[in-house]
Amino acid sequence: DGGITQSPKYLFRKEGQNVTLSCEQNLNHDAMYWYRQDPGQGLRLIYYSQIVNDFQKGDIAEGYSVSREKKESFPLTVTSAQKNPTAFYLCASSIDLSAGTLTGTTEAFFGQGTRLTVV
Amino acid sequence: AQSVTQPDIHITVSEGASLELRCNYSYGATPYLFWYVQSPGQGLQLLLKYFSGDTLVQGIKGFEAEFKRSQSSFNLRKPSVHWSDAAEYFCAVGSTGTASKLTFGTGTRLQVTL
Repeated sequence: DGGITQSPKYLFRKEGQNVTLSCEQNLNHDAMYWYRQDPGQGLRLIYYSQIVNDFQKGDIAEGYSVSREKKESFPLTVTSAQKNPTAFYLCASSIDLSAGTLTGTTEAFFGQGTRLTVV
Repeated sequence: AQSVTQPDIHITVSEGASLELRCNYSYGATPYLFWYVQSPGQGLQLLLKYFSGDTLVQGIKGFEAEFKRSQSSFNLRKPSVHWSDAAEYFCAVGSTGTASKLTFGTGTRLQVTL
């Protein structure tokens, strides 16, 4: 079945450690996104990528890093520089919005999320 | 910059009552608008979307939304709410061009009383 897979579902990190969240999609989507969700703040965009080997900072990129070496994969690293990393992280993918206007299929598909807790 | 405002943080309705969730957006061109629903601890599921054409769009689970350009709004409605509709609802706007991305509102939590 096509979809987006995030792993792990739960992740615990000690202060000062880097940790990497996995996101894989087999939908053949060009665009991928990482969002952070905190209670009462909705989804805030961390990074997004429209094509392999290219990505842009979102609204809250500080303390995070990403890579896009393959179309299917968009891992997110939460570095020790992120002062408040405890949150629910969601990965999403879509057809590139500018191309998707031709087909009207620009909606984003989401993974089930990773809950990161700093201990 | 694009933005989305969902003015209602929490709404409570009785089962069988009608529902309207508000969404206002800010975007310089014709927007691409979405409503998503999220159950606790889960990802987001698309309810409906608007790109062009008919301003009243139908979605899954009996939901509909109306795009009103003059009011910059895209409110979500359902004629009769079921207890299983209790969840958090997010409105989002998508941009196009070289920096296309999705921007979400802060969400509205819906509680349904029996």
